[in-house]
Amino acid sequence: KNQVEQSPQSLIILEGKNCTLQCNYTVSPFSNLRWYKQDTGRGPVSLTIMTFSENTKSNGRYTATLDADTKQSSLHITASQLSDSASYICVVSSQAGTALIFGKGTTLSVSS
Amino acid sequence: EAGVAQSPRYKIIEKRQSVAFWCNPISGHATLYWYQQILGQGPKLLIQFQNNGVVDDSQLPKDRFSAERLKGVDSTLKIQPAKLEDSAVYLCASSLNGQGLTGELFFGEGSRLTVL
Repeated sequence: KNQVEQSPQSLIILEGKNCTLQCNYTVSPFSNLRWYKQDTGRGPVSLTIMTFSENTKSNGRYTATLDADTKQSSLHITASQLSDSASYICVVSSQAGTALIFGKGTTLSVSS
Repeated sequence: EAGVAQSPRYKIIEKRQSVAFWCNPISGHATLYWYQQILGQGPKLLIQFQNNGVVDDSQLPKDRFSAERLKGVDSTLKIQPAKLEDSAVYLCASSLNGQGLTGELFFGEGSRLTVL
């Protein structure tokens, strides 16, 4: 069964600190993996999209990594800011499917 | 470039009442999606349109949910009659023709439904 699991479920860090969010998937055959940021009460906004051949992709202070062999991805946030407080959703696309497979998200809270 | 527009942003109704949500995708985007996001969960696809044709509606509860996309642009999602478990955020998204799986997917702000 195609699944996307994210950890931790929630995370609290101090402003300025770094953090890493994890995503494990069982989707096959794999097409691409995306990370979305969803602010409270808003729609998800794309941070990165990675295909099979890409190991890492950055978007400002956000860096996503992909290990297609172990079917794991991580999202690293550097020098966190209060505005980083949001839910981060990992989404995987299968070459065989017609729909994206969403994780439940990790809720990040950055405090001052 | 204007984003995906949705309305209303918030709606409160009583169970067994009906409700409709409207979505206007990004200009030129042939593919339109409706997702249901229950609190603490990731979005779940309800229906996908390619122009004005349905590509996937396998998870749409057809006994109470309906959606249409007349003229291949705007779309309306209707719930009738609503149940308590329909309380969720309804997200509309769009993408360039058939590229939702391989390319960028753009979401609207969502319509938050509360059923009492």
